Amino acid sequence: GESVGLHLPTLSVQEGDNSIINCAYSNSASDYFIWYKQESGKGPQFIIDIRSNMDKRQGQRVTVLLNKTVKHLSLQIAATQPGDSAVYFCAENTPTSGTYKYIFGTGTRLKVLA
Amino acid sequence: DADVTQTPRNRITKTGKRIMLECSQTKGHDRMYWYRQDPGLGLQLIYYSFDVKDINKGEISDGYSVSRQAQAKFSLSLESAIPNQTALYFCATSSVVPSRQPQHFGDGTRLSIL
Repeated sequence: GESVGLHLPTLSVQEGDNSIINCAYSNSASDYFIWYKQESGKGPQFIIDIRSNMDKRQGQRVTVLLNKTVKHLSLQIAATQPGDSAVYFCAENTPTSGTYKYIFGTGTRLKVLA
Repeated sequence: DADVTQTPRNRITKTGKRIMLECSQTKGHDRMYWYRQDPGLGLQLIYYSFDVKDINKGEISDGYSVSRQAQAKFSLSLESAIPNQTALYFCATSSVVPSRQPQHFGDGTRLSIL
């Protein structure tokens, strides 16, 4: 079984519904954000990123919203599918910490109900 | 074939043993990283390397060492393993240009130290 994520918050969503996963980031100076998807037994997979000069960015079935006022990031998944079941976490980067250094969130487990 | 390959995928060993985890990549990226993932925690950076002659400590380097044998190969060693080093270990790569690109992860090594 997967040991990572035993105590993660879980979001259960009916197949076909939209999912919203939230992330509160820690540093008000952070200006680049990434969402990753991690399936059981796999490494983190890049989904979408956003820079702080944007409030919203859309990808294929995914949208990221950034609210800098309250340091909040959300990932919206449209028409959630069984293959979307995974742990999702955000990462933030600040311009002064170096382009390589990210703070990673602990994640939310998404369960898609048939 | 995976762009970032980690070996072994699973390893069980005893306290005091020396262990090497290996990572190879076909993405042509200069930057490589080793992370550790524990339940309830975000990814933590152990070591990173910007090119073959460049090695840098991350947040939690104590008890670990690395070797960058080539642009495509970056290995992590535990000189004398201890039980609290039991974790999931991930290798990642990123390009230099443009700056602040997402990192690309391997599928991890699950390490258990008894």
